[in-house]
Amino acid sequence: QKEVEQNSGPLSVPEGAIASLNCTYSDRGSQSFFWYRQYSGKSPELIMFIYSNGDKEDGRFTAQLNKASQYVSLLIRDSQPSDSATYLCAVYLGNTPLVFGKGTRLSVIA
Amino acid sequence: GAGVSQSPSNKVTEKGKDVELRCDPISGHTALYWYRQRLGQGLEFLIYFQGNSAPDKSGLPSDRFSAERTGESVSTLTIQRTQQEDSAVYLCASSTQETQYFGPGTRLLVL
Repeated sequence: QKEVEQNSGPLSVPEGAIASLNCTYSDRGSQSFFWYRQYSGKSPELIMFIYSNGDKEDGRFTAQLNKASQYVSLLIRDSQPSDSATYLCAVYLGNTPLVFGKGTRLSVIA
Repeated sequence: GAGVSQSPSNKVTEKGKDVELRCDPISGHTALYWYRQRLGQGLEFLIYFQGNSAPDKSGLPSDRFSAERTGESVSTLTIQRTQQEDSAVYLCASSTQETQYFGPGTRLLVL
């Protein structure tokens, strides 16, 4: 069974702080890793993805992979109230749909 | 460019009726996915189409659920004899390779 696990939260951080979201995955053959943001009542939107060969930074967002421990992180610097949403982690195993975690709810407190 | 579109955006139906939900993927995307998301819950995979291959129906919860796709374009998800537990948002996504892009969803309410 291919699994992606996330803490459901809520994770509460003060405005301006760094929010750290984590996700663990069960399959060592995972090839790429995705972070989606889902606002309440909206559909998931892609924030960023990384391959198994490295981390990525995009503006305030950084995705990091720890292959040895099989987890992937999303760091949000200078968190804003508008970052408050549910963050979905997803893993690609090759020739299959993405396997999604259930999401972590982030609340950024002004 | 145009994203994934879904219709209707909202659907209210009575228990026992059939409903049909439509998804228009991004042009050129060979793969199409349907998910169900109940209120406050995660994404529940339903079915996956990839090109001309046989669809992966492993997520369909019962034989009341079916889906079709015409070539690499429009897909319809049909729910027969709807039940109240079918009330959810039905999300469609499409992709060329691994990156999936979601439509806005159809919010289904079964009374």
